[in-house]
Amino acid sequence: GAVVSQHPSWVICKSGTSVKIECRSLDFQATTMFWYRQFPKQSLMLMATSNEGSKATYEQGVEKDKFLINHASLTLSTLTVTSAHPEDSSFYICSARTSGGHEQYFGPGTRLTVT
Amino acid sequence: KNQVEQSPQSLIILEGKNCTLQCNYTVSPFSNLRWYKQDTGRGPVSLTIMTFSENTKSNGRYTATLDADTKQSSLHITASQLSDSASYICVVSVGRVSGTYKYIFGTGTRLKVLA
Repeated sequence: GAVVSQHPSWVICKSGTSVKIECRSLDFQATTMFWYRQFPKQSLMLMATSNEGSKATYEQGVEKDKFLINHASLTLSTLTVTSAHPEDSSFYICSARTSGGHEQYFGPGTRLTVT
Repeated sequence: KNQVEQSPQSLIILEGKNCTLQCNYTVSPFSNLRWYKQDTGRGPVSLTIMTFSENTKSNGRYTATLDADTKQSSLHITASQLSDSASYICVVSVGRVSGTYKYIFGTGTRLKVLA
């Protein structure tokens, strides 16, 4: 149980375009989802926390207009990187948590490369 | 400032040998401590979770210890296998006034097991 999937697993896009990453909880309802970014040889950095049906809370230094997060249902959250630039190239990982739960279940990650 | 530090940054051992990874934290209020294994290009997978009152927790060849007084934890890997090659991340959960929890990630230890 507690499986989280991400799609796509990897994506290459051109600079200036937008790309959407999906995060799904497959066998549980995730009232809260988290989006992380991980650069090579570094640990995960929390970008934002999203609660179903409400606006996401962004961490300091993360541009909310650049990283659009939508959590429209209890099983799906999306992260859209708008006007992507090469410096946005990274590994993006989502996690999901049930209502009142402490455990975060991580997705397999999405590798974004902006050329 | 809430911080989780891990050592060593990287480690190379021969297959079949044991190793111990360290985690020091300065986090308040402490909720629990987790060890994750992250294979390259994948999301983190939980190995162990320990609360304040637990001193040790095992999961197969992985044994985690926690000393809440000195705010230190260790992850011991017994009889290492090639498949143990991965990054190991120590994560401390911090309680918030709102009743929610936030994960504080360590920088990770990259383990390489050689045949």
